[in-house]
Amino acid sequence: SAVISQKPSRDICQRGTSLTIQCQVDSQVTMMFWYRQQPGQSLTLIATANQGSEATYESGFVIDKFPISRPNLTFSTLTVSNMSPEDSSIYLCSVEIPSQGGEQYFGPGTRLTVT
Amino acid sequence: DAKTTQPPSMDCAEGRAANLPCNHSTISGNEYVYWYRQIHSQGPQYIIHGLKNNETNEMASLIITEDRKSSTLILPHATLRDTAVYYCIASSYGNKLVFGAGTILRVKS
Repeated sequence: SAVISQKPSRDICQRGTSLTIQCQVDSQVTMMFWYRQQPGQSLTLIATANQGSEATYESGFVIDKFPISRPNLTFSTLTVSNMSPEDSSIYLCSVEIPSQGGEQYFGPGTRLTVT
Repeated sequence: DAKTTQPPSMDCAEGRAANLPCNHSTISGNEYVYWYRQIHSQGPQYIIHGLKNNETNEMASLIITEDRKSSTLILPHATLRDTAVYYCIASSYGNKLVFGAGTILRVKS
């Protein structure tokens, strides 16, 4: 398995500002994922972030709004830019451990409220 | 990824087995069945996965039908701490996970 931490755990931000969320893993992993979970909803994949390549965004998500960095095999950041109240969600990162069957392990999430 | 269908909610008595069904009639040959759960306000937790054989680990058992069109997750002795949303996902290695609405399991004393 993998131990994943996220910072911050929660934040309240004003509309129009940006927030960068950090995801740290205790082992080197190739594949990292960023998800969004809106209130009362299931998880939606934002993008896949593989080290050494540009992030791959899912339909409905764009790099200008959700820029992602993946500087090494244990760390990634997701920025939520020019925030609006509709961005209020829980943001989660996850990693895949191929040697253990391809299952993903998730961080605890970052609860974002935009006022 | 193949679409999965799960009942929206289920109840289970504490100490009894919880059997959570999942239909994945369009699953392809290289897609595994993964089960995750999400306890309130936490990140999803991996439970188990399988391709075509039944699987068991310390958390649960996974029973996959021979035609692979459906599966059942079994929690052998449910406790109150097993109350969560359970997600059944069909996906291949290295591919993204597509989360549906899942099944809300309520374990009651």
